[in-house]
Amino acid sequence: GAGVSQSPSNKVTEKGKDVELRCDPISGHTALYWYRQRLGQGLEFLIYFQGNSAPDKSGLPSDRFSAERTGESVSTLTIQRTQQEDSAVYLCASSLDAGASNYGYTFGSGTRLTVV
Amino acid sequence: AQSVTQLDSQVPVFEEAPVELRCNYSSSVSVYLFWYVQYPNQGLQLLLKYLSGSTLVKGINGFEAEFNKSQTSFHLRKPSVHISDTAEYFCAVTPSGYSTLTFGKGTMLLVSP
Repeated sequence: GAGVSQSPSNKVTEKGKDVELRCDPISGHTALYWYRQRLGQGLEFLIYFQGNSAPDKSGLPSDRFSAERTGESVSTLTIQRTQQEDSAVYLCASSLDAGASNYGYTFGSGTRLTVV
Repeated sequence: AQSVTQLDSQVPVFEEAPVELRCNYSSSVSVYLFWYVQYPNQGLQLLLKYLSGSTLVKGINGFEAEFNKSQTSFHLRKPSVHISDTAEYFCAVTPSGYSTLTFGKGTMLLVSP
């Protein structure tokens, strides 16, 4: 597609429920990133996928968070047993290859998650 | 590990005035530096980047930034701002050749008439 697409754009969920967020990267982009943006905070790295390599999960804040990516296409971020502190905008980005330094990231518009 | 400090959370400025948004980083290795802009309800867009070479980098929308290695800074400047420049600006860093960016907390630029 023309850009990085994220769905849903907004999600309100009850505390304790599981949620699944989706990201469609730009076609041909091998690298995909998930970041979290909490109110008044910068972007917090969550996880990074590069091609068929094992993902870099070093930013996932707890074992309630997991993510998958099918090949070089769609990725889903799953949050189990949501807590109020999970409320944030979840941003997905993709880049042409692992050289984000050369090409920069292209970001989606994000999913705003509110846990009530 | 790298870190980024954006010293100002908000910068109010009048239209057509110059502006400087400050960014300092810390890293024990050489780095690449970026500025991104986020307009309301949108994702982040790349404004400019420093990889190597000339320390003065020009980006989109009339913005430029200067890499200062001795001061570990990468301040963003524009000589004359427009109302449409109202947005949040993020500085980011990554070790040279690495991929994952570390972002600062952002600076909200508020341009008023």
